[in-house]
Amino acid sequence: DQQVKQNSPSLSVQEGRISILNCDYTNSMFDYFLWYKKYPAEGPTFLISISSIKDKNEDGRFTVFLNKSAKHLSLHIVPSQPGDSAVYFCAENTGNQFYFGTGTSLTVIP
Amino acid sequence: DAGVIQSPRHEVTEMGQEVTLRCKPISGHNSLFWYRQTMMRGLELLIYFNNNVPIDDSGMPEDRFSAKMPNASFSTLKIQPSEPRDSAVYFCASHPDRDHRGETQYFGPGTRLLVL
Repeated sequence: DQQVKQNSPSLSVQEGRISILNCDYTNSMFDYFLWYKKYPAEGPTFLISISSIKDKNEDGRFTVFLNKSAKHLSLHIVPSQPGDSAVYFCAENTGNQFYFGTGTSLTVIP
Repeated sequence: DAGVIQSPRHEVTEMGQEVTLRCKPISGHNSLFWYRQTMMRGLELLIYFNNNVPIDDSGMPEDRFSAKMPNASFSTLKIQPSEPRDSAVYFCASHPDRDHRGETQYFGPGTRLLVL
């Protein structure tokens, strides 16, 4: 069974609006969560991370929220730009391992 | 640094043939991961090396798959014999140090494999 789940395979958002990508997990003993962005024909690239001891981390237009009681995290992109159109993966980093979700394809409509 | 280098970028082969995928990690990184991307399972870990030693190969689908890391700058993933269900994008990623929790992996561009 998937340790990390991204239940929305796709999301469309108007340029300038907020994009919210969600991720659910099952493991309570993790170190970090990381978000990656992937363009077609390229490998995933790191976007932002959050430690298990925090509930929010912000970097420019990107903010990740962690709700440990609900075992849920979300990535907010504000404002969304057409260049943000990509597949986004969340990944749990536990010890030396990384467990990835199935990804959410974001389309930002100009 | 050139980043993680993978070759070939694309591979088309016939069922039953041997396929070898290659990876050169970032210099100085001591961990290397092989992943397979599919629609159903997302990024699926196949095997993970630390200091050239395989640490976890529980994700390797079956005996047809094998991976080696003969030195710190090179790794191979071999499929023999290949089957159509092996068609996927295979990524290699390197990580600076297994003890650096929360530090990102760095992915190569991937090898798109199609087995006919």
